[in-house]
Amino acid sequence: AQSVTQLGSHVSVSEGALVLLRCNYSSSVPPYLFWYVQYPNQGLQLLLKYTSAATLVKGINGFEAEFKKSETSFHLTKPSAHMSDAAEYFCALLTGTALIFGKGTTLSVSS
Amino acid sequence: NAGVTQTPKFRILKIGQSMTLQCAQDMNHNYMYWYRQDPGMGLKLIYYSVGAGITDKGEVPNGYNVSRSTTEDFPLRLELAAPSQTSVYFCASSYQGGGETQYFGPGTRLLVL
Repeated sequence: AQSVTQLGSHVSVSEGALVLLRCNYSSSVPPYLFWYVQYPNQGLQLLLKYTSAATLVKGINGFEAEFKKSETSFHLTKPSAHMSDAAEYFCALLTGTALIFGKGTTLSVSS
Repeated sequence: NAGVTQTPKFRILKIGQSMTLQCAQDMNHNYMYWYRQDPGMGLKLIYYSVGAGITDKGEVPNGYNVSRSTTEDFPLRLELAAPSQTSVYFCASSYQGGGETQYFGPGTRLLVL
């Protein structure tokens, strides 16, 4: 069965620190993977997506993610956190037509 | 472009009442989707449509109905509201399926009491 697991429902970092949000997937076919961000009381906004091209994917706001087939992972990173990065982040796997979402990781950034 | 718009933003329903959540997109997208988001559970697909007149069930369709008479609109109908339908509902659209990006609306918060 296809699934997405996000490790850690809540991650806290200091401003300027590395951000690492973990996502593992299970898929019987080559996956298409996405990271979305949700700010409070808003809809979801695409950060980046992997669609079988380059394994290192760069997105908006300085985020990037690396697809590792051997580890079935698609972790999201940002070298230096900013206060404005505080939000909820969702990893998603495309299955046929629709997306399967992980349960989300809330990122808190302290000054 | 307004993108994906949803109305209302917030609604309180009594058990057994009915309502329609509206969704519209002005990007000429073929595919449209309805998701619900429950705390700590991510988003789950309710229904989707690949074009006008074509709809299909997602993971959690029970208690909901949809129609797609035009490319732009994809309303979601709750016939007999139940407390279990308290959630935040998101509509999304994409030009095609596959690896195309899904664009999300701002959501409708529904409380069933």
